[in-house]
Amino acid sequence: SAVISQKPSRDICQRGTSLTIQCQVDSQVTMMFWYRQQPGQSLTLIATANQGSEATYESGFVIDKFPISRPNLTFSTLTVSNMSPEDSSIYLCSVAGTSGLGTGELFFGEGSRLTVL
Amino acid sequence: QKEVEQDPGPLSVPEGAIVSLNCTYSNSAFQYFMWYRQYSRKGPELLMYTYSSGNKEDGRFTAQVDKSSKYISLFIRDSQPSDSATYLCAMGRGNNRLAFGKGNQVVVIP
Repeated sequence: SAVISQKPSRDICQRGTSLTIQCQVDSQVTMMFWYRQQPGQSLTLIATANQGSEATYESGFVIDKFPISRPNLTFSTLTVSNMSPEDSSIYLCSVAGTSGLGTGELFFGEGSRLTVL
Repeated sequence: QKEVEQDPGPLSVPEGAIVSLNCTYSNSAFQYFMWYRQYSRKGPELLMYTYSSGNKEDGRFTAQVDKSSKYISLFIRDSQPSDSATYLCAMGRGNNRLAFGKGNQVVVIP
């Protein structure tokens, strides 16, 4: 299993500002994933972050709004830029497991709960 | 049509009851079927995993997949208050990119 730490755990932000969320993993991993969990909505993949290359964004998410850094194999950041109330959500960092289940086993951090006023 | 449909209605059951949850999906390319459990203010954790039609049991939990009907279920026997959580179904195609359902909040009343 992997232990994932996220900071901040929660924050209240003003409209128009930006916030960077940090994700630290206790082991080296190739792929890290950023998800958004909005109230009443499905957990939605924002982007996949690979070390040494540009992040791959899912449909509906763009780099200007959600820039991602992946400086090494244990760390990543997600920035939510120019926030609006619609960005109020829980943002989750995750990594794939290596227990032999193949794909589908993801470990998640505890999430960063953002409220935009 | 969403790839994964999970009726997000909350579910309250008395302790000891059987909990039954289900999801439908539209994409026949899904190969992996999972159930994640998420406690309040925590991240999701993998509960059950299967990649074939049929039943898979793990203690009090049974995951059922019917690929012909594109339907998956999770059953919790002898439910306990500690089972109170949100249960998310998830499906994958082999590239670690999962499609999740909206989740069911389950409350087991002592």
